[in-house]
Amino acid sequence: GESVGLHLPTLSVQEGDNSIINCAYSNSASDYFIWYKQESGKGPQFIIDIRSNMDKRQGQRVTVLLNKTVKHLSLQIAATQPGDSAVYFCAESGQNFVFGPGTRLSVLP
Amino acid sequence: EAQVTQNPRYLITVTGKKLTVTCSQNMNHEYMSWYRQDPGLGLRQIYYSMNVEVTDKGDVPEGYKVSRKEKRNFPLILESPSPNQTSLYFCASSLLGRANTEAFFGQGTRLTVV
Repeated sequence: GESVGLHLPTLSVQEGDNSIINCAYSNSASDYFIWYKQESGKGPQFIIDIRSNMDKRQGQRVTVLLNKTVKHLSLQIAATQPGDSAVYFCAESGQNFVFGPGTRLSVLP
Repeated sequence: EAQVTQNPRYLITVTGKKLTVTCSQNMNHEYMSWYRQDPGLGLRQIYYSMNVEVTDKGDVPEGYKVSRKEKRNFPLILESPSPNQTSLYFCASSLLGRANTEAFFGQGTRLTVV
C-alpha cells in the first residue's frame, strides 16, 4: 500500500481500549474543523466535523472535542478495533482547509 | 455513487516531460483543490478553485498549473516536472464556494519523477 507518512507520531492502543488523538490548530478565526481517516493506499475519508459554536460532537464510536481557548481539537474513538488502524488528520477551515501533519493509530491485538 | 476520480493512480515520468493528472467529481461541487502529501509534511495545498474559471494558489504552487473550464474537472498540470515533485497527490472537492464543508478526496496519484 501507499506510505502516507514515515515520520508521523504514532499512537498504539490495545484492541478494545479507547483512543484519543490530539491536534493543535493555528488560526483562531477558523470556524469549522474536520477529522479525516486515511488508510494505506486510499485518500482521506471524512469521520466527523464540528463547528466553532460547539465544543463537543458525537458520532458512532467517535467523539470530537473542541477547545477554542487553547486551539485544541481531539478525536476519541471508543472500543478501538483493528479496522481503525490508519493515519488520522485534523483539518481547520477558515477561507481554506489547513491540514495537520497526522497521527498514525496502530491497534494491537 | 458520489466520488472524486483521479487518473492515473500511478505515474513514472522523466524530468522535463509535461504531464497532466486529471480530476473529476460528480457531485456538482463548486470548490476543488489539489494537495501533495509527503512524509512528515502532511497534506499541503497546491492550488484551489472556488468555481469555474476561478483558481488561486495554495501553499506550494511553484511548478504547477491548473485550469477549471468546467465545474466537474480540475486537472493538475506539470509543465516541466522535476524530481522534487515526486509525491502523492490528492484532488478534493466540496460543496460550498467557501471551504467550510466536508471535502471529498480522490484515491490519490503516486507520481515519481526520475
